[in-house]
Amino acid sequence: KAGVTQTPRYLIKTRGQQVTLSCSPISGHRSVSWYQQTPGQGLQFLFEYFSETQRNKGNFPGRFSGRQFSNSRSEMNVSTLELGDSALYLCASSLSGGTGELFFGEGSRLTVL
Amino acid sequence: GENVEQHPSTLSVQEGDSAVIKCTYSDSASNYFPWYKQELGKRPQLIIDIRSNVGEKKDQRIAVTLNKTAKHFSLHITETQPEDSAVYFCAASPGTGTASKLTFGTGTRLQVTL
Repeated sequence: KAGVTQTPRYLIKTRGQQVTLSCSPISGHRSVSWYQQTPGQGLQFLFEYFSETQRNKGNFPGRFSGRQFSNSRSEMNVSTLELGDSALYLCASSLSGGTGELFFGEGSRLTVL
Repeated sequence: GENVEQHPSTLSVQEGDSAVIKCTYSDSASNYFPWYKQELGKRPQLIIDIRSNVGEKKDQRIAVTLNKTAKHFSLHITETQPEDSAVYFCAASPGTGTASKLTFGTGTRLQVTL
């Protein structure tokens, strides 16, 4: 069974630009959540999608948004990039998100110049 | 919201010794406490988890204990091996929602030396 796949793996953007990251969950998993990982702040929860609906949201500004498609694939978008958005963005999937194990992808490393 | 503190930030042990990592949480409603291991340049992977109705759980060389009254939980690794070297994260999940909304500790870098 294929794991969680994230694309692109690496990307470089400049301040003010926007970026879209993609996540394909494990087949059959309906919950997709996103985390930002930085050396200083560790892993911080961004949001979770289940059946195309945002079910939970973390404390990030509105520049961070996401969506989920009918096939459970998810995208997150960051608009008006700031230097502080440089991070590893991890996607995780689970069967239902209720009590199940999170399976993480390799992440998308974003560098903002 | 939930706040999870994790100690120590770095831990060095000799192969064969035990390692203990401790976490405290603030939200008494939290009821799910997983531990993740992240090797250098790799994805975090769940190694063990515990729920609020259980005080201790063991899986081979790894064990987790939970004290709900004191709001702390710990990871114990016995007979450490070089492949245990990694960053370990504790996390807590709110009682009202999904286990996907995890609040993580800041991580413990474990180094197992020969």
